[in-house]
Amino acid sequence: SQTIHQWPATLVQPVGSPLSLECTVEGTSNPNLYWYRQAAGRGLQLLFYSIGIDQISSEVPQNLSASRPQDRQFILSSKKLLLSDSGFYLCAWSVWGGGNEQFFGPGTRLTVL
Amino acid sequence: AQSVSQHNHHVILSEAASLELGCNYSYGGTVNLFWYVQYPGQHLQLLLKYFSGDPLVKGIKGFEAEFIKSKFSFNLRKPSVQWSDTAEYFCAVNARGNNRLAFGKGNQVVVIP
Repeated sequence: SQTIHQWPATLVQPVGSPLSLECTVEGTSNPNLYWYRQAAGRGLQLLFYSIGIDQISSEVPQNLSASRPQDRQFILSSKKLLLSDSGFYLCAWSVWGGGNEQFFGPGTRLTVL
Repeated sequence: AQSVSQHNHHVILSEAASLELGCNYSYGGTVNLFWYVQYPGQHLQLLLKYFSGDPLVKGIKGFEAEFIKSKFSFNLRKPSVQWSDTAEYFCAVNARGNNRLAFGKGNQVVVIP
């Protein structure tokens, strides 16, 4: 069966520090991978999605970037965090090809102080 | 691009009451429709989905949703809620063949024992 992992579960970082959040998927090959930010009362905002290694689409201009160095690894990064980057970050995967349901990881709670 | 509207962000019910959560989307083409649920402290998980066929979809835990194409709606229902249905519910839409899911802002449902 497929599983999706995210770490760390929680993170507290000072403004201006770098960020690296990792997401890995097991039990499937060539998945679509997604990064979302969830804010209370605002739903899920798609940040990045990837259909393959080194193939990243950015949905919103922001202080963040994403990379996919391996088939089942998706990394969310920032060189310098802003206060507004605080939030709950979710990684998700779906079967390659459009329209399939997405499966979500446990999320990372990021607090920028 | 598709967008999703969910109204009445906070819903408070007593056990055994009926629940209906509205979901409307804006996209003129063929869509896939989803309801996700996030129980306190748990992953976002799929409640039910509609791709084609019978517009009345049955999901887990006694939930159902009806796709009404003419109204661009996919409302979620449960005839008799339980305390364990306390959760946040998200409607999501994806244009057929597209990798992106558009989420509504969610409904926070609290069921009082």
